[in-house]
Amino acid sequence: NAGVTQTPKFQVLKTGQSMTLQCAQDMNHEYMSWYRQDPGMGLRLIHYSVGAGITDQGEVPNGYNVSRSTTEDFPLRLLSAAPSQTSVYFCASSYSGQGVRTQYFGPGTRLLVL
Amino acid sequence: AQSVAQPEDQVNVAEGNPLTVKCTYSVSGNPYLFWYVQYPNRGLQFLLKYITGDNLVKGSYGFEAEFNKSQTSFHLKKPSALVSDSALYFCAVRDVSSASKIIFGSGTRLSIRP
Repeated sequence: NAGVTQTPKFQVLKTGQSMTLQCAQDMNHEYMSWYRQDPGMGLRLIHYSVGAGITDQGEVPNGYNVSRSTTEDFPLRLLSAAPSQTSVYFCASSYSGQGVRTQYFGPGTRLLVL
Repeated sequence: AQSVAQPEDQVNVAEGNPLTVKCTYSVSGNPYLFWYVQYPNRGLQFLLKYITGDNLVKGSYGFEAEFNKSQTSFHLKKPSALVSDSALYFCAVRDVSSASKIIFGSGTRLSIRP
């Protein structure tokens, strides 16, 4: 298993540009999520999905869109990038349902918005 | 609302000495707690979790955590630190609204000097 994969690893954008961060997992996990990591603030949840066709907002959703057309993929879209979106972005996945689930993280995408 | 607090931004320990990384939590109901580690330029890796039962939880790489209900703490410990333990450590708690959704603390940077 490749686990959770993210592309690209690093990206530079100009203010106002759009882009999509890709995330895929091959573990048949129902739950997928996107976090951003900023110094001193830990990881903050952007959006999450409990299954194909179902998405919901997390703590900091503004400026980001997601969709979940398949179980495997959960892309994060920045429609009009802003310098405040400079961050490291992590995708994670886990099984859903009852119990306490361990999340598996991708290697991250480092985004710089100029 | 659920939350975790990591009061120390950085912890410095000499190799071979015991280490403790502190975490306190605030939850309604039973707490489900996690520790994750992040090595440089990598995603987060699961270390251990507390669900119920024994207050001392053993995890990966020789780490353990002690759950203390009266002090609402879940401190991470290791009897003898290694230089390779140097990393960023996150405490997390499961959100009551979802078995998969978890809330992270701000992180503690652990530095082990030779």
